Amino acid sequence: DQQVKQNSPSLSVQEGRISILNCDYTNSMFDYFLWYKKYPAEGPTFLISISSIKDKNEDGRFTVFLNKSAKHLSLHIVPSQPGDSAVYFCAAKGGSGSARQLTFGSGTQLTVLP
Amino acid sequence: KAGVTQTPRYLIKTRGQQVTLSCSPISGHRSVSWYQQTPGQGLQFLFEYFSETQRNKGNFPGRFSGRQFSNSRSEMNVSTLELGDSALYLCASSFGPSASGANVLTFGAGSRLTVL
Repeated sequence: DQQVKQNSPSLSVQEGRISILNCDYTNSMFDYFLWYKKYPAEGPTFLISISSIKDKNEDGRFTVFLNKSAKHLSLHIVPSQPGDSAVYFCAAKGGSGSARQLTFGSGTQLTVLP
Repeated sequence: KAGVTQTPRYLIKTRGQQVTLSCSPISGHRSVSWYQQTPGQGLQFLFEYFSETQRNKGNFPGRFSGRQFSNSRSEMNVSTLELGDSALYLCASSFGPSASGANVLTFGAGSRLTVL
């Protein structure tokens, strides 16, 4: 049972345009969400996060939006740059006590075309 | 500040063998999590150790095991290797349990295992 889903395995965007990466979740207990970026031959690196008490968090060119009623998370990159080409994973935390877990999606390969 | 160090970076084994992978977390981090990455499967959670205790375990067979030492360094072991175990194995550390609060995982570069 995939509780965190990234339904688009890949996305191509022109340099300078907006990249929108989407993530859906099924567990209403999730209360903290993160995005990680991964380049080939490297481990994922943390990008941005958002708590469920917010609906938007911004950090430079990166903005994460959370729609709790739709159980939907999105990452906007504006403007997109070729160096943003990487695999993006969304992740969610939820549950209580020892049952609290961190769950990753399957990733979306973003390619920014020059 | 040194990052998360995984050794070896690459290794080739044959079916039936066993393998041990090592992870040194960031200094001061007490939680170590292990993930398997295969194409199209994203990051599959293996297990997490916090203060030498296994905190959580993913849905993997008993051939996959791990441990954490008093200095927070961790090892994972895979016995009786199968072809399907070929993957990138990622270790990540955090100060507290990975799922608590705003803890953020810091990943190592991974150990690429090929099973022939």
